[in-house]
Amino acid sequence: GENVEQHPSTLSVQEGDSAVIKCTYSDSASNYFPWYKQELGKGPQLIIDIRSNVGEKKDQRIAVTLNKTAKHFSLHITETQPEDSAVYFCAASMGGQNFVFGPGTRLSVLP
Amino acid sequence: EPEVTQTPSHQVTQMGQEVILRCVPISNHLYFYWYRQILGQKVEFLVSFYNNEISEKSEIFDDQFSVERPDGSNFTLKIRSTKLEDSAMYFCASSAQGRANTGELFFGEGSRLTVL
Repeated sequence: GENVEQHPSTLSVQEGDSAVIKCTYSDSASNYFPWYKQELGKGPQLIIDIRSNVGEKKDQRIAVTLNKTAKHFSLHITETQPEDSAVYFCAASMGGQNFVFGPGTRLSVLP
Repeated sequence: EPEVTQTPSHQVTQMGQEVILRCVPISNHLYFYWYRQILGQKVEFLVSFYNNEISEKSEIFDDQFSVERPDGSNFTLKIRSTKLEDSAMYFCASSAQGRANTGELFFGEGSRLTVL
């Protein structure tokens, strides 16, 4: 089955700096890669996603890149703000219903 | 904005008891899911449900677990004979699309289960 790894497990950045979180997946059949943000005591919320026919997608300060050959995808957050502090999960899905999540990255944005 | 709602937000139960966690998915969604997150660990898939039947389930979802959509709006997860290791946050999710067109998962805020 699919296996998703995520690095780093924790990340601290200064406000205004960029943050990058990287994920790798094992199954080349995976074709949908969402990123979720989970704030304390809440459920995961989708922040951006990318499908396998796209190499890069951007939404304001957030961007995701996908390298299908290397089977890895990354989340980039620019101009970080304290409210970006949360746990971020990447996930992979083979067009099915079993989304496999990475172990998460705890991002702290220091003022 | 439509949302997935879950009850209870927190349930404490004795080992061996049965619990039912309830979810109301977004009204026009057709695919429903339960995920589990043990404290500090990643979100794990339990089961997906479509057209009144289970469409996928993980190894975690053994005979101790069952799901039901009893009345067209609620989607429930039943855990029989709870064990200490069942203590976790249980998230319900729903999506408008499923296997053919992977759609966004909308998660509820979770039900925290504590087994003593």
